[in-house]
Amino acid sequence: GNSVTQMEGPVTLSEEAFLTINCTYTATGYPSLFWYVQYPGEGLQLLLKATKADDKGSNKGFEATYRKETTSFHLEKGSVQVSDSAVYFCALSSPGTYKYIFGTGTRLKVLA
Amino acid sequence: GAGVSQTPSNKVTEKGKYVELRCDPISGHTALYWYRQSLGQGPEFLIYFQGTGAADDSGLPNDRFFAVRPEGSVSTLKIQRTERGDSAVYLCASSRLAGGGTDTQYFGPGTRLTVL
Repeated sequence: GNSVTQMEGPVTLSEEAFLTINCTYTATGYPSLFWYVQYPGEGLQLLLKATKADDKGSNKGFEATYRKETTSFHLEKGSVQVSDSAVYFCALSSPGTYKYIFGTGTRLKVLA
Repeated sequence: GAGVSQTPSNKVTEKGKYVELRCDPISGHTALYWYRQSLGQGPEFLIYFQGTGAADDSGLPNDRFFAVRPEGSVSTLKIQRTERGDSAVYLCASSRLAGGGTDTQYFGPGTRLTVL
């Protein structure tokens, strides 16, 4: 079946460091891929998405590129801020379906 | 505009009791979803509504769980004879359209259910 695998957390970085959170997936066909973020005490918010191979999603300085050949959708940011501290979830949705399949989440802590 | 709202935000109940969790989706959104998020895990799909009908309830763990959406807007997730293992955050999401896989789902803040 379809699945999403994320790197284990927590990830602890200093402010202005480079961030990569790995996400790989298993799915039939060409799923849509999403990154959601959950800030402390808040609900899940869409961060970015990509709906076809080689698409790059971007938002708030975060980027992720849909790589079909490596079945990956790694999240990157060039310079993290303390306010980026949150839990990040990678998710997929297969064509013709509606439900999301989520990874287990990666907690990011950014230190000043 | 208003986002997805869920009530109550917290619910504490005793084992064996019945609970109802409510979701009010974004106005005009056709599709509505329920997920369950256990501690340290990602959300897991429970049920999906297209309009008033449950198009897929394959994620409901057993027959103690039931959900309705009688007028195609507000939805209620109902849990009978609650068990301690039902403790989790129950998330509701809605999207404008359904299917195709590209539609963005907008999540509510969740209801934290604790079964003592």
